[in-house]
Amino acid sequence: EVQLVESGGGLVQPGGSLRLSCAASGFTVSNNYMTWVRQAPGKGLEWVSAIYSGGSTYYADSVKGRFTISRDSSKNTLYLQMDSLTAEDTAVYYCARTADGKNYWGQGTLVTVSS
Amino acid sequence: DIQMTQSPSTLSASVGDRVTITCRASQSFSTWLAWYQQKPGKPPKLLIYKTSSLESGVPSRFSGSGSGTEFTLTISSLQPDDFATYYCQQYSTYTWTFGQGTKVEIK
Repeated sequence: EVQLVESGGGLVQPGGSLRLSCAASGFTVSNNYMTWVRQAPGKGLEWVSAIYSGGSTYYADSVKGRFTISRDSSKNTLYLQMDSLTAEDTAVYYCARTADGKNYWGQGTLVTVSS
Repeated sequence: DIQMTQSPSTLSASVGDRVTITCRASQSFSTWLAWYQQKPGKPPKLLIYKTSSLESGVPSRFSGSGSGTEFTLTISSLQPDDFATYYCQQYSTYTWTFGQGTKVEIK
């Protein structure tokens, strides 16, 4: 069964860092197009970052230079390193996999940036 | 980036009503349009992918159509479990974009 489980969220101070993980099962992360999407409290969905199977990475302008997407084949896990966090980064972060023309989402992990 | 404009933002309807939600894109694209249902505290649930393909397990009262710059989600007969927020999403480019959402409320 295909499963995506995010972790690593929590409370962090402005200017701080956090690394989110997305553990995958039932498929190989490095062979798939993987994405991070976030949703601020009471708001809509915002695409954050993506990594192609070939390794190319892409970022939304709002996070470029602060966030880094990566993956670890040995752990079959996707990551999002988030630096220089601000209150505007407070959101639930979802990882997603695109396959067979569909996007499969995890349950999300909450990141709260506050002093 | 392709901008998605979803309407209406709120919709009041009764059980049994036929409901239509529309998404308009800032530029034309083909096929890669999805619809999601989201309830509070839950992740988005895929309803429709590739414009008109029904996700496995989703009731047949949900349908999607459209092409170019205009896409629609139709619920043929609204059920109590359908009161939720719905989002469209284009994934024709690596920068996915979403509609602003439509909250379907009980009339």
